[in-house]
Amino acid sequence: SQKIEQNSEALNIQEGKTATLTCNYTNYSPAYLQWYRQDPGRGPVFLLLIRENEKEKRKERLKVTFDTTLKQSLFHITASQPADSATYLCALDKGGGNKLTFGTGTQLKVEL
Amino acid sequence: DADVTQTPRNRITKTGKRIMLECSQTKGHDRMYWYRQDPGLGLRLIYYSFDVKDINKGEISDGYSVSRQAQAKFSLSLESAIPNQTALYFCATSDSSPSGRFETQYFGPGTRLLVL
Repeated sequence: SQKIEQNSEALNIQEGKTATLTCNYTNYSPAYLQWYRQDPGRGPVFLLLIRENEKEKRKERLKVTFDTTLKQSLFHITASQPADSATYLCALDKGGGNKLTFGTGTQLKVEL
Repeated sequence: DADVTQTPRNRITKTGKRIMLECSQTKGHDRMYWYRQDPGLGLRLIYYSFDVKDINKGEISDGYSVSRQAQAKFSLSLESAIPNQTALYFCATSDSSPSGRFETQYFGPGTRLLVL
């Protein structure tokens, strides 16, 4: 069956360090992968999209990699700040028409 | 995102009651979606609509119905609410592109529903 896995355990890191979150998938061949941020009680907010033919995408302190051989995406936040504390969701298209399947998310806590 | 609004924001209802959750958007997007979010299960797609005359079931449509009244409005109904429909419900929109792909989704603030 198709599955998207994100680490369900919260990731705690110190301010200034790089946070790395993982998204693994099985039995998909997605054309692209997206990352969203979700704060408690609020809707997800789009951060980055990476296509199957792209290895890496950057936006300010954010970096996403996409390895279609390993079926894995890594999401990095450099120089992390307490304001980066949130849950981060990855999402894959299931083919055609932008129907996304979301992972369960990983909660990131950045401590002073 | 203020461009996508949901009403009500919170709702408590009783088993067997019919309720409607409403979503409106000012982004001018053709595509609209309803998701529910449960702890440990993530976001799951209930229904989606690619234009006013196009309605499609998602992975968990049983017990739900939808209405796309206009490009900007997409409503979700629970005909006879049951306790396991207690969840956080999100509406989302996305634009269509010539390729029909690679479009991000914009989410509303959510409706927290409790069925007693």
